[in-house]
Amino acid sequence: AQSVTQLGSHVSVSEGALVLLRCNYSSSVPPYLFWYVQYPNQGLQLLLKYTTGATLVKGINGFEAEFKKSETSFHLTKPSAHMSDAAEYFCAVSRSQNFVFGPGTRLSVLP
Amino acid sequence: EAGVAQSPRYKIIEKRQSVAFWCNPISGHATLYWYQQILGQGPKLLIQFQNNGVVDDSQLPKDRFSAERLKGVDSTLKIQPAKLEDSAVYLCASSFGGRRTGELFFGEGSRLTVL
Repeated sequence: AQSVTQLGSHVSVSEGALVLLRCNYSSSVPPYLFWYVQYPNQGLQLLLKYTTGATLVKGINGFEAEFKKSETSFHLTKPSAHMSDAAEYFCAVSRSQNFVFGPGTRLSVLP
Repeated sequence: EAGVAQSPRYKIIEKRQSVAFWCNPISGHATLYWYQQILGQGPKLLIQFQNNGVVDDSQLPKDRFSAERLKGVDSTLKIQPAKLEDSAVYLCASSFGGRRTGELFFGEGSRLTVL
């Protein structure tokens, strides 16, 4: 069975500071990994995904994530936070069209 | 390209009443999902369709929830009778399907409040 844990239900950073959102997964087979963002009263939007190949994945809005198989991690980073990054972020693991989402991390960006 | 459409966006009902949500996926997407998202939690899969067949409904409370996807296009999710704990956002998502895992495309969700 697949599962996802996200350390920290709420993360606060100052505008311009580094964003680091943590995701660890468990999967019996090599997984596909995703980060989604959810703004208030909206559905989820894809930030980036890892399927195969390069382990450092770049996404939209300056976000990137690195797949580390040895650590079963897929942490999301952004060098400099903007106010518009304030949202809920979900890590997801998938194989064969079966998606499992983590509990989410709420990111607050302080001026 | 039109995205995943859902309606209604908001619904308030009293417990023991019934409610139905509708979803129209992106054209050509074979796989359709219904997720339940309770406040402060991640989405939880209720049911997954591949065309008009059910792939996974293991977490669907079948005593009160039902879903169908006639003709393999749009889908409806029904709750009857509703309980207080059904208050949540119901998200519909679709994907191309097939052998490779692609991304999910989500609708804006239908927020249900049960009083």
